[in-house]
Amino acid sequence: RKEVEQDPGPFNVPEGATVAFNCTYSNSASQSFFWYRQDCRKEPKLLMSVYSSGNEDGRFTAQLNRASQYISLLIRDSKLSDSATYLCVVNKGSGGSNYKLTFGKGTLLTVNP
Amino acid sequence: NAGVTQTPKFQVLKTGQSMTLQCAQDMNHNSMYWYRQDPGMGLRLIYYSASEGTTDKGEVPNGYNVSRLNKREFSLRLESAAPSQTSVYFCASSDIGFGGGTQYFGPGTRLLVL
Repeated sequence: RKEVEQDPGPFNVPEGATVAFNCTYSNSASQSFFWYRQDCRKEPKLLMSVYSSGNEDGRFTAQLNRASQYISLLIRDSKLSDSATYLCVVNKGSGGSNYKLTFGKGTLLTVNP
Repeated sequence: NAGVTQTPKFQVLKTGQSMTLQCAQDMNHNSMYWYRQDPGMGLRLIYYSASEGTTDKGEVPNGYNVSRLNKREFSLRLESAAPSQTSVYFCASSDIGFGGGTQYFGPGTRLLVL
């Protein structure tokens, strides 16, 4: 199993659609989980952290299932501006001993008018 | 507040040439990172610096060297460029101790090695 594996995509959806991205991770000791967004030819930027209890930020909802080692991102009411690549990111360490984030390869989303 | 800056934005090298990619952050972050991004491969960590004065290898360090010049600056050097080093290079820094989730990335350097 790859360290961080995402839906390969690409996803093409109409405006207003709901779209879900899935991600699995292999290291059960992983401590922190995130979704980053990367626009075409731009740098990645943090979209949201993922907490065990699930968390929501406007139209975006992130879920974590530690037992299944599974992370999800749900986007409701898609906008044209949501078109980007979404990166699933995992940090194995809780702070002092592990500095490294592991990035999934990303899933490309295109929202069409 | 510029965040993370990188120079140059674009570079074309011939095989065997050397160059240094520069990175600076003005957020007073302790940790800094160099990644490369290739199609179909995602972001891969080359080297990182947990704090000023320390550097460590990441996933793909071969062919690269780094220098943490001070708290603000972290440079990446290619001593003898190879076509396999054609890539987009991102520098990043982080705020929460070591490797916290909020890594802030620079705009990237697009490197072509002929």
